[in-house]
Amino acid sequence: EVQLLESGGNLVQPGGSLRLSCAASGFAFSSHGMSWVRQSPGRGLEWVAAISGRGGLTYYADYVRGRFNISRDNSKKILFLQLSGLGVEDTGVYYCAKDWDFDISGYWETWGQGTLVTVSS
Amino acid sequence: DIQMTQSPSTLSASVGDRVTITCRASQSISDWLAWYQLKPGKAPKILISRASHLESGVSSRFSGSGSGTEFSLTISSLQADDLATYYCQEYYDHSYTFGQGTKLEIK
Repeated sequence: EVQLLESGGNLVQPGGSLRLSCAASGFAFSSHGMSWVRQSPGRGLEWVAAISGRGGLTYYADYVRGRFNISRDNSKKILFLQLSGLGVEDTGVYYCAKDWDFDISGYWETWGQGTLVTVSS
Repeated sequence: DIQMTQSPSTLSASVGDRVTITCRASQSISDWLAWYQLKPGKAPKILISRASHLESGVSSRFSGSGSGTEFSLTISSLQADDLATYYCQEYYDHSYTFGQGTKLEIK
């Protein structure tokens, strides 16, 4: 069974940093692109960042480029999202999602249950 | 970036009703469109890809149609378990934009 388990969400002050993790199991992790998608209060779903199966290709949403960094450890089957320069608008539930393809197709056949990031002073 | 406009934002219907949610793209996206179902506290679930392809394990009560800029998701006979928020999402380019969502309420 494919499983994605996010962790690392927390309460952080504006300007702070956080690292999210997503532990994958039940599939050939290195054979699939992965993404982070967030659900913000009042703003619905927003794609955040994507990475190809071997990690050589990454894409970012304009509003996080330069602040967030997506990476992966295929030996441990873990996806990461390093968040920095956080603002209140970054508050939300962050989901990791499995791409159907090795590269980045942009649609996701399996999602985790999410981890909550709250940015507040 | 491509903009996705979804309507209605809220939909109230009775069990057994046929319901349709529409999604409009700001430019042609061919059939690069997916539909997702979100329930509180649960992992989002993909329903439809390539505008009309029903994903494995998804009830045949769900169907998708459209191409270019106009798309729709139809639930043929609404069940209580369909209470959720539904999102369309384009994957034509690397902006991967979602619609604003349709909250489906059961009367």
